[in-house]
Amino acid sequence: NAGVMQNPRHLVRRRGQEARLRCSPVKGHSHVYWYRQLPEEGLKFMVYLQKENIIDESGMPKERFSAEFPKEGPSILRIQQVVRGDSAAYFCASSGALNTEAFFGQGTRLTVV
Amino acid sequence: TQLLEQSPQFLSIQEGENLTVYCNSSSVFSSLQWYRQEPGEGPVLLVTVVTGGEVKKLKRLTFQFGDARKDSSLHITAAQTGDTGLYLCAGREGGNQFYFGTGTSLTVIP
Repeated sequence: NAGVMQNPRHLVRRRGQEARLRCSPVKGHSHVYWYRQLPEEGLKFMVYLQKENIIDESGMPKERFSAEFPKEGPSILRIQQVVRGDSAAYFCASSGALNTEAFFGQGTRLTVV
Repeated sequence: TQLLEQSPQFLSIQEGENLTVYCNSSSVFSSLQWYRQEPGEGPVLLVTVVTGGEVKKLKRLTFQFGDARKDSSLHITAAQTGDTGLYLCAGREGGNQFYFGTGTSLTVIP
């Protein structure tokens, strides 16, 4: 997967807790995308970020969800006060400014109990 | 709004058979990617097509981009059990946003 690293691979949270998902893009890539996937389904776009900027967050719920991609460090997808319906696999992808392809990480599987 | 529709959604075939998966849209894409995803893993890029009418071959897999750059197909010859997985197409409209299809879940039975 060309170096996109996501952690943790598995995350269990109780209802009401916060979940923080991390994504380190391919070295040199400045574009990060977050997707959510339910079992047996395709990928649902959540948010697209460039360094320090949110470009498109149209797929992300307005409440409890936030994302950032700071100048230094990984991109973070943050889910506050998690509910059972947040249980899913969350994938991060990255691309370079001049590339056409996006490369994916292995995902974080969030389980809310 | 689902920009990319894939068909069929589920496909189960015998080893050795041929199959075609379709990815259709009313939007024009500057490029289109096909990914394969295995259970518990992230999608892995198979191919990118850029030019209308372009055909790319990857061993037993043949990818075609429609002339109008609105649709694509993936044809697998003599399917093997290792081809089992979720096949996803993704289109890029010109900016950096990627739009994913609904996915085709392929099962190849030995």
